Amino acid sequence: ETGVTQTPRHLVMGMTNKKSLKCEQHLGHNAMYWYKQSAKKPLELMFVYSLEERVENNSVPSRFSPECPNSSHLFLHLHTLQPEDSALYLCASSLNPAGQGYTEAFFGQGTRLTVV
Amino acid sequence: AQSVTQLGSHVSVSEGALVLLRCNYSSSVPPYLFWYVQYPNQGLQLLLKYTSAATLVKGINGFEAEFKKSETSFHLTKPSAHMSDAAEYFCAVKTQGGSARQLTFGSGTQLTVLP
Repeated sequence: ETGVTQTPRHLVMGMTNKKSLKCEQHLGHNAMYWYKQSAKKPLELMFVYSLEERVENNSVPSRFSPECPNSSHLFLHLHTLQPEDSALYLCASSLNPAGQGYTEAFFGQGTRLTVV
Repeated sequence: AQSVTQLGSHVSVSEGALVLLRCNYSSSVPPYLFWYVQYPNQGLQLLLKYTSAATLVKGINGFEAEFKKSETSFHLTKPSAHMSDAAEYFCAVKTQGGSARQLTFGSGTQLTVLP
């Protein structure tokens, strides 16, 4: 399998549930990202991991908890979400050699999350 | 700081007509520029990128874009629209030499192709 794979593709959860989104990349990249895409809004960068260290957290509520156990895997743990958290969650990866330069971000197909 | 503005949240063209999607950027340093396409219920797919080589960049599916520094623009064009081009298109900018996180997306343009 190649590229960036996200599971599950669709998720419906209640506000008291705990669930996790998974992302896996097979591209040899060293940076991974979580984005949130809501209707009528630009893509929102949530978290960035570079070389398995979190380098950015864009004021995301604590009910979203990322985990990056290695350079190929990224998780987003969800708990006590709100209906406004319903959105498409996109994972992406890129190669950033020695922190300089950049290659394009490759995106997974996303997880469509509905909070009821 | 950097930003991207996509003029027109919705664009409609007839099949076979020219496609022109507009993108203007703001960046204090030389940028990398990207166009992505998103089909319904899919992730974003890279169409093309500008990384300070040739100013006219050719991408997949017959799309191309021209970097114009004087106009701070990176408009996306295709000579002849096809029904399969109907999708949402995103322009993105990243400052060269910046860290991984500094990729900024525009709000997107929904392209409709009329038969």
